[in-house]
Amino acid sequence: SQELEQSPQSLIVQEGKNLTINCTSSKTLYGLYWYKQKYGEGLIFLMMLQKGGEEKSHEKITAKLDEKKQQSSLHITASQPSHAGIYLCGAAFMIYNQGGKLIFGQGTELSVKP
Amino acid sequence: GAGVSQSPSNKVTEKGKDVELRCDPISGHTALYWYRQSLGQGLEFLIYFQGNSAPDKSGLPSDRFSAERTGGSVSTLTIQRTQQEDSAVYLCASSLEGAFNEKLFFGSGTQLSVL
Repeated sequence: SQELEQSPQSLIVQEGKNLTINCTSSKTLYGLYWYKQKYGEGLIFLMMLQKGGEEKSHEKITAKLDEKKQQSSLHITASQPSHAGIYLCGAAFMIYNQGGKLIFGQGTELSVKP
Repeated sequence: GAGVSQSPSNKVTEKGKDVELRCDPISGHTALYWYRQSLGQGLEFLIYFQGNSAPDKSGLPSDRFSAERTGGSVSTLTIQRTQQEDSAVYLCASSLEGAFNEKLFFGSGTQLSVL
């Protein structure tokens, strides 16, 4: 979807290196989700951000949502081969009966070289 | 069930045939989503069901695509007169109430190949 732009589209890093993936929207987001997908598997929920300036961490992964709620970053510290996969950001743009459809970005394919 | 279940996991069909893809959401989840993922692409929103409300069909790519959700539970995505460009992984997801602050639980998808 063009409503959410992810960058980079692909990324190759050496094991142990840090990396950042970005997700940008031209509209204000109501909620921002990060998912990880491994080949042939379903999507694994990582984190959800709602408030401007919010930051969450889980193990070596940190996600932030900017104050304007239009941009999010996913940062991985000391990357490991287990971090390899496709990272997808998803966002809710509208309220529909107190819910809303989630639109996803194009994904960032991460490869981690041992 | 414990998670979102999709069937079949793989479907190979000939161009012009109709196909039906099934999704069993997590029990008690009122919101159900269908997405399509082409090779190397992100998730393309197709349709969203929330309780008894009219579904949001804004993502369906053509009138060959339709979806139903019977009894507020199981959903079927039907593609009529399949074309080669329909080949993709079709993912289903559900959430408790469809609120924007809820986690979506995804199935493993149906890999559709149109020959």
